[in-house]
Amino acid sequence: QKEVEQDPGPLSVPEGAIVSLNCTYSNSAFQYFMWYRQYSRKGPELLMYTYSSGNKEDGRFTAQVDKSSKYISLFIRDSQPSDSATYLCAMSAYTSNAGKSTFGDGTTLTVKP
Amino acid sequence: EAQVTQNPRYLITVTGKKLTVTCSQNMNHEYMSWYRQDPGLGLRQIYYSMNVEVTDKGDVPEGYKVSRKEKRNFPLILESPSPNQTSLYFCASRLETGGKAFFGQGTRLTVV
Repeated sequence: QKEVEQDPGPLSVPEGAIVSLNCTYSNSAFQYFMWYRQYSRKGPELLMYTYSSGNKEDGRFTAQVDKSSKYISLFIRDSQPSDSATYLCAMSAYTSNAGKSTFGDGTTLTVKP
Repeated sequence: EAQVTQNPRYLITVTGKKLTVTCSQNMNHEYMSWYRQDPGLGLRQIYYSMNVEVTDKGDVPEGYKVSRKEKRNFPLILESPSPNQTSLYFCASRLETGGKAFFGQGTRLTVV
C-alpha cells in the first residue's frame, strides 16, 4: 500500500464551482504538507504549504490538514479555466531522512468555461 | 530570477550508453532531489541530497547515481540506461526541511 493515496480523478467542473481535492496518508511522522499544481509539459509549482494540522488560506485556495484522520484537502473556490491542471499532494517528515518527500499520484482537474 | 535549470530538456539515447542530466540552482538551497514521473505512478523520488557530499536514496534509486560536489549542482547519472528508465525527470531544490521546493522544467528521456 502506498504511503500517500490521492483521489485519482479526473475531475471536470464548470467555471465558478468549488473544487475539493483530497489525499490520505499512512505515515504518522509526516508533518509538512504541500500542494503542487502542474500544467501540461511543465514542472510542478508549489501552491500551498502547511506545517502540522490546521487550515491555511491563500486567495481562492484553502488547504486543510487533519492529522488525527491522516487526511488533507485542497479547496479551490470560484474555479477558473486557468485552474485546469494536475494537482499533486506531497508530504515530508522531520526525521533523519529529512530530505525525503512523498507525492500522491495527482488529480487532473478541468474547469470548463 | 530564482530557478532550477535542467539540461537537456529532451534526450533520446540507446540502451547502455552512459548519460548525465545536469541540474543547477541559483538559490543557495541545501536540499536537492531528483524525481521521475510516470503515468499512473506519480512522482517518485530517486535520490536526494541534504548538502554537499551528503546524498541518500529515495524510493527508486536502482540504476541511477548522483553526486553533490558543489552546493548549486546535482547531476543525475545513468551508467547503463535501460528502456524502463524512459521517463520524465525533474530536479528540485529547497532551502530547508519541508520547505518550499522549486522544480526544474523537466527532462524527457527516451531509452531505445
